[in-house]
Amino acid sequence: DTAVSQTPKYLVTQMGNDKSIKCEQNLGHDTMYWYKQDSKKFLKIMFSYNNKELIINETVPNRFSPKSPDKAHLNLHINSLELGDSAVYFCASSPVRGSYNEQFFGPGTRLTVL
Amino acid sequence: QKEVEQNSGPLSVPEGAIASLNCTYSDRGSQSFFWYRQYSGKSPELIMSIYSNGDKEDGRFTAQLNKASQYVSLLIRDSQPSDSATYLCAVTSGAGSYQLTFGKGTKLSVIP
Repeated sequence: DTAVSQTPKYLVTQMGNDKSIKCEQNLGHDTMYWYKQDSKKFLKIMFSYNNKELIINETVPNRFSPKSPDKAHLNLHINSLELGDSAVYFCASSPVRGSYNEQFFGPGTRLTVL
Repeated sequence: QKEVEQNSGPLSVPEGAIASLNCTYSDRGSQSFFWYRQYSGKSPELIMSIYSNGDKEDGRFTAQLNKASQYVSLLIRDSQPSDSATYLCAVTSGAGSYQLTFGKGTKLSVIP
């Protein structure tokens, strides 16, 4: 299947732990994104990479660190997890630079911090 | 701050009716406009994109763009219960931008 995939789908962890979420796309896209969707369902961009280069870095705590080993993968590492980090994290990718920025989303990772 | 505004709803329409979803945006330089559908517990799914003023039709969906009024809408004809979802409006922040700004979504309920 051609798609954007994420692992894990669910992540339940304790405050203070460090965790990673992985994302892979086999669509041949150049650009990948991380979004956070909070309990009120508001979808907000966190990071974007284009060909392994960081191009969007919104105001998020520096406990969040994205890593792109190649243009098909974008991982998100979170240090010292806090209760407020509980949310659904979506990875997305888009094929074309510039205006025609159709983004395709992965299935999401529901993170619960206890 | 670039903003995208949507009525949160819920918008309830009877089956077979036309559902009309509206979105306004603050950045006059915005160039690309998208509608995503998100079912509860699922990821956003791109259903329409529009880049120039006027109407764009795809099956039962019509997107309408008016850049002068900074307004984009989505019409769903012959609404079905399976159309019940949250519809997210998204706008690209200007030429050459990678960044999409999303509205908070309108929840649509189609009543059988």
